[in-house]
Amino acid sequence: EPEVTQTPSHQVTQMGQEVILRCVPISNHLYFYWYRQILGQKVEFLVSFYNNEISEKSEIFDDQFSVERPDGSNFTLKIRSTKLEDSAMYFCASSADSLANTGELFFGEGSRLTVL
Amino acid sequence: QKEVEQNSGPLSVPEGAIASLNCTYSDRGSQSFFWYRQYSGKSPELIMFIYSNGDKEDGRFTAQLNKASQYVSLLIRDSQPSDSATYLCAVKGNAGNMLTFGGGTRLMVKP
Repeated sequence: EPEVTQTPSHQVTQMGQEVILRCVPISNHLYFYWYRQILGQKVEFLVSFYNNEISEKSEIFDDQFSVERPDGSNFTLKIRSTKLEDSAMYFCASSADSLANTGELFFGEGSRLTVL
Repeated sequence: QKEVEQNSGPLSVPEGAIASLNCTYSDRGSQSFFWYRQYSGKSPELIMFIYSNGDKEDGRFTAQLNKASQYVSLLIRDSQPSDSATYLCAVKGNAGNMLTFGGGTRLMVKP
């Protein structure tokens, strides 16, 4: 069964360092997303990406965050200068169609980021 | 601010019973409603979605939607210990392409 894959599964970094989280969405999907979940809290939307550009972003997704689709398969989330409060599980997700058109969202297994 | 509210639980039911999970949402224009299951330390896994008022059944799961009351529920029939997990309600508003998640209800099914 096709799945969203994410690397690394766990990354530990020092505050102020740059981090890149990588995702390979399901191959025929057109919409890509990043969500995050701080331990014990709700899953929160960060950003959605379609047709090689950001289509929507939340207040969390400030100038320290960026996304990129550098080639036909990878979708990356970069955090420029990590803060302690960036420690969370980051989930990549993809959908074949817009959620408004009955698109179903499929999540990867997540990348746990720990900022020390 | 769009809110999705769930009772955090834990909701404890005996094996074989019906588990009833509830969710309310604040955005009256919300279009689509999703139920995800999340095991501890794992990613959310889609169980089912519903768009229209009424019931939708899929195997042991039934989703119920009442847009007038801004209420969506998930019934799990013949609950199994393997159903023990946190159940997340997620809502898509009338604009945009993002889901707003509730905090989840932890379900415990006791053998």
